[in-house]
Order: sequence, then structure tokens, then C-alpha cells
Amino acid sequence: AQSVTQLGSHVSVSEGALVLLRCNYSSSVPPYLFWYVQYPNQGLQLLLKYTSAATLVKGINGFEAEFKKSETSFHLTKPSAHMSDAAEYFCAVSDAGGTSYGKLTFGQGTILTVHP
Amino acid sequence: KAGVTQTPRYLIKTRGQQVTLSCSPISGHRSVSWYQQTPGQGLQFLFEYFSETQRNKGNFPGRFSGRQFSNSRSEMNVSTLELGDSALYLCASSLASGRPETQYFGPGTRLLVL
Repeated sequence: AQSVTQLGSHVSVSEGALVLLRCNYSSSVPPYLFWYVQYPNQGLQLLLKYTSAATLVKGINGFEAEFKKSETSFHLTKPSAHMSDAAEYFCAVSDAGGTSYGKLTFGQGTILTVHP
Repeated sequence: KAGVTQTPRYLIKTRGQQVTLSCSPISGHRSVSWYQQTPGQGLQFLFEYFSETQRNKGNFPGRFSGRQFSNSRSEMNVSTLELGDSALYLCASSLASGRPETQYFGPGTRLLVL
């Protein structure tokens, strides 16, 4: 079984400040890891994904995440927050071996608020 | 290349009715997965279809069903609607089953059950 824990259901930062959204996963098999963003009344947009290549993954809109196997973490960061980053962010895990087929297991989400 | 499309985008039904939602995958994608998103339970996997066959199923009652057509388009059906079925239903397509790294989501269908 796989699971994801996102620490902090709400994170608030000032514009220009560092964004750090935390994600820890549990998986009995090598994982694929994902970060998605959701704006109000919209679907999920893929920010970045880890698929067992480089442990530091760069995504869209200046976001990046680092896969740390020893810490079972995949935290999302952005050096400088922008007002347009305000949204809800979801971390998700799937198994790299395909035994769960296309199933993604999501965390509960973190709402990011950016103050001017 | 067009993305994943879902129809309708919004739907209002009453308890006891049934509803059918449609999902058209990205061209060339042959696998379709469905998720339910609610404020209380978050994002939960419903099922995945590939080559017209259900490959995986989440922990939902039998009132939730789906199917996939030969052109990879998929529908999900919910019978005997309950208030708790009010949710955003998201569809995602991927190149093939077991390829979550190729998965992209549609805009969702928001269902309100009164």
C-alpha cells in the first residue's frame, strides 16, 4: 500500500519569499512521485514528476522538488513566490513497477496563500 | 494537441437519479482513470480502463461503474445518487496502463446532488 502525507494544510508566504511545501510518502515498492497544482474550479495541472532519473526535478513556473529516499520525502520549493502561485498543491505517489496500473494516491493538499 | 476533455462540466441531479459522465482522452492515449474529489475525502481513485477493460478499481460501492469504448473514450455512471456523491469528478488519460508518468488530467465535471 502507498500513502502520502502533506505537512501543513495551509501555508502562507509573502510575495518574493521562499515557498516550501512538504510531502512524505510511504511505499513498499520504488515510487514515482508527482506534484500537481489546482486553481479554483479547475482540474489538476502537473508541476513536476520524479521517475527514478535525477533526484532533483525541475518543473514548470520555477518549481522544483528533491527526491530523498532516506527521508521518504519529496518537498516542493520555489525560491521566490509570486501572487499567481496562490492555489492548492497536491503531492501524489504511484508505483514505478506498474503493479497498481495508473492509480495515483494523493495527499490531502496544501493551500498556498501569497501575501503582497 | 488537445487535452483531456470532460462533459458536461457542471451537473445538478436529485437523490435517487443516475448520472453519466464522459471523458475523451488525449489523442494517442489509451488508458483512462477516474478520480473523485471532495472536501472531506480529498482525491480518491475510482477506476482505470485500458483496452476497454477495467484494470484497477478503488474502494467505491457498486453504484459507481465505468466503461471504455474502442476509441478510448470513457464514461462513468453513478446510479441511485446520494447527497455524498456531490463532488468534482476528474478524468485522467495516459499512454497505457501502468504509465502514470504520462498521465494528464481533464478539467473535471462538478456534480451537485440535491
